[in-house]
Amino acid sequence: GQNIDQPTEMTATEGAIVQINCTYQTSGFNGLFWYQQHAGEAPTFLSYNVLDGLEEKGRFSSFLSRSKGYSYLLLKELQMKDSASYLCAVAAGKSTFGDGTTLTVKP
Amino acid sequence: DGGITQSPKYLFRKEGQNVTLSCEQNLNHDAMYWYRQDPGQGLRLIYYSQIVNDFQKGDIAEGYSVSREKKESFPLTVTSAQKNPTAFYLCASSTETGAANTGELFFGEGSRLTVL
Repeated sequence: GQNIDQPTEMTATEGAIVQINCTYQTSGFNGLFWYQQHAGEAPTFLSYNVLDGLEEKGRFSSFLSRSKGYSYLLLKELQMKDSASYLCAVAAGKSTFGDGTTLTVKP
Repeated sequence: DGGITQSPKYLFRKEGQNVTLSCEQNLNHDAMYWYRQDPGQGLRLIYYSQIVNDFQKGDIAEGYSVSREKKESFPLTVTSAQKNPTAFYLCASSTETGAANTGELFFGEGSRLTVL
């Protein structure tokens, strides 16, 4: 079976750093994706990790530990436009999504 | 521009009616997917297709049907057998197929279905 856990909601202040965690227990693993989804819109790709370690892409970074079944998305220098849901998805034949973390950025 | 087009964006349906949601892509992707999203929840896989004339059930296929007669098109029919069809439906495609499936998903803008 597939089980992916993320916090439901998080709040942070503009300019700050926030870390969104994702833990997973899946039968098979071919990589982990993070997607951003603004309200009422389609998800868009943020990052992909298949090996352990940190992948950095501008203000966003994603970390993976396969032995621990754990990933996080790190958002730096938060902006108001970062208010969105962040979806963790595990690729294993097909992608399975967590329920998403709704991030609210306050001034 | 290349991308995925879903239509209609909004759809209202009476109970007992079948409706078909359109999904067309010009990305030349082999794999296509249909997901359902309910408020405050993640995406749940309904059906997916890795090649023309072939498709597989996802986690919540009951009450839905699909076809893949062309590489570019993957329509989803929500039948009257689906007990709670009101939801946001997302179509996606990717380059990767098979057990590897490491491909990033490209999404359409979604279709919001409301059953009256």
